[in-house]
Amino acid sequence: AQSVTQLGSHVSVSEGALVLLRCNYSSSVPPYLFWYVQYPNQGLQLLLKYTTGATLVKGINGFEAEFKKSETSFHLTKPSAHMSDAAEYFCAATKAAGNKLTFGGGTRVLVKP
Amino acid sequence: GAVVSQHPSWVICKSGTSVKIECRSLDFQATTMFWYRQFPKQSLMLMATSNEGSKATYEQGVEKDKFLINHASLTLSTLTVTSAHPEDSSFYICSAPGLGDNEQFFGPGTRLTVL
Repeated sequence: AQSVTQLGSHVSVSEGALVLLRCNYSSSVPPYLFWYVQYPNQGLQLLLKYTTGATLVKGINGFEAEFKKSETSFHLTKPSAHMSDAAEYFCAATKAAGNKLTFGGGTRVLVKP
Repeated sequence: GAVVSQHPSWVICKSGTSVKIECRSLDFQATTMFWYRQFPKQSLMLMATSNEGSKATYEQGVEKDKFLINHASLTLSTLTVTSAHPEDSSFYICSAPGLGDNEQFFGPGTRLTVL
């Protein structure tokens, strides 16, 4: 069965500092990978996705992620954190387009002024 | 992008009553929709896959007789929590895949509180 692991349930960064959220997947076949952000009591908003092609993916709000097959990783980064980045972030994977998603445990980001 | 709505956004009910949650794809058709449950400070767990015109597919450990799913049209799926109990209190989120987009679109969620 496919699984997604997010290292670190909480991350605290200073405003302006690098944000790094880690995601690893376990799958014999490289899946489609996604990063979502969730603000309190709201649904999920897609930040970026990897399907095929370029392994460095740029998303909204200055986020990007790199798919590394050799490391089965899809870590999310943002060069400079903003207060509005404080939220819960979820990494997710699916085997095929339109199929059900498997989510990681989530990482809550706290941004300190 | 495609929009998915949910109604109601929050509901409070008494233990033993049933609650229906609607999930609609507003500007696209969805033959499949997914229902997730999210407990406080936890991740999303898939409950079931809703299939238009056929029975839903439930994940292991999810009671199909308690969580009734109906996908009667290409734009509407409903989740009914029957005989709700306090342990059913959670945030319920639906999603629908876009056509040929490799992306799923999520509803805003429904907060259910069972007293």
